[in-house]
Amino acid sequence: AQTVTQSQPEMSVQEAETVTLSCTYDTSESDYYLFWYKQPPSRQMILVIRQEAYKQQNATENRFSVNFQKAAKSFSLKISDSQLGDAAMYFCAYNNNAGNMLTFGGGTRLMVKP
Amino acid sequence: EPEVTQTPSHQVTQMGQEVILRCVPISNHLYFYWYRQILGQKVEFLVSFYNNEISEKSEIFDDQFSVERPDGSNFTLKIRSTKLEDSAMYFCASKRTPDREHEQFFGPGTRLTVL
Repeated sequence: AQTVTQSQPEMSVQEAETVTLSCTYDTSESDYYLFWYKQPPSRQMILVIRQEAYKQQNATENRFSVNFQKAAKSFSLKISDSQLGDAAMYFCAYNNNAGNMLTFGGGTRLMVKP
Repeated sequence: EPEVTQTPSHQVTQMGQEVILRCVPISNHLYFYWYRQILGQKVEFLVSFYNNEISEKSEIFDDQFSVERPDGSNFTLKIRSTKLEDSAMYFCASKRTPDREHEQFFGPGTRLTVL
């Protein structure tokens, strides 16, 4: 069974600065997808960024980028130029080969200081 | 933009009672999911559903749980006889295709409190 670990329960960043959220996972599969979801307070989770395991190039979406290290089974999220609206819970998630379920990490609460 | 909706937002029930949590997935989505998050713990997969059948279920999804798509729009999770440990946030999600790269769209959740 796959497991996903987020070792930082809370992180804080100054507005306009850069922050990196960590995620590691354990799997025996070679082909899979990884996701970062954002959950603002009292709102639903929304997708921030996704990465296919077979793609060596790290995914980027505007201010959000990942550092995917397949051999190390690491999938960190970098947020550049942090904004107040980035404050939320961030969940790392693994999508297995069958694609039927997501396995989530415990989440990291990001606080953005003005 | 289409969203997954869930009702109620908060449900309080007595232990042993039946509860039905309701979800309206995005209209052209065909794959449906339930997850739960006990306070302070990880979001956990419960069940996936496609073509009026369960595709996959976790160990959590025992005989006390059932899912149904009673009409063309709703997707429900029923807990037959609630236990204290069923208290959690329950999230519904839907997806247009089974492709792994496609995201699951989540609802805002129903907070279930079992007294």
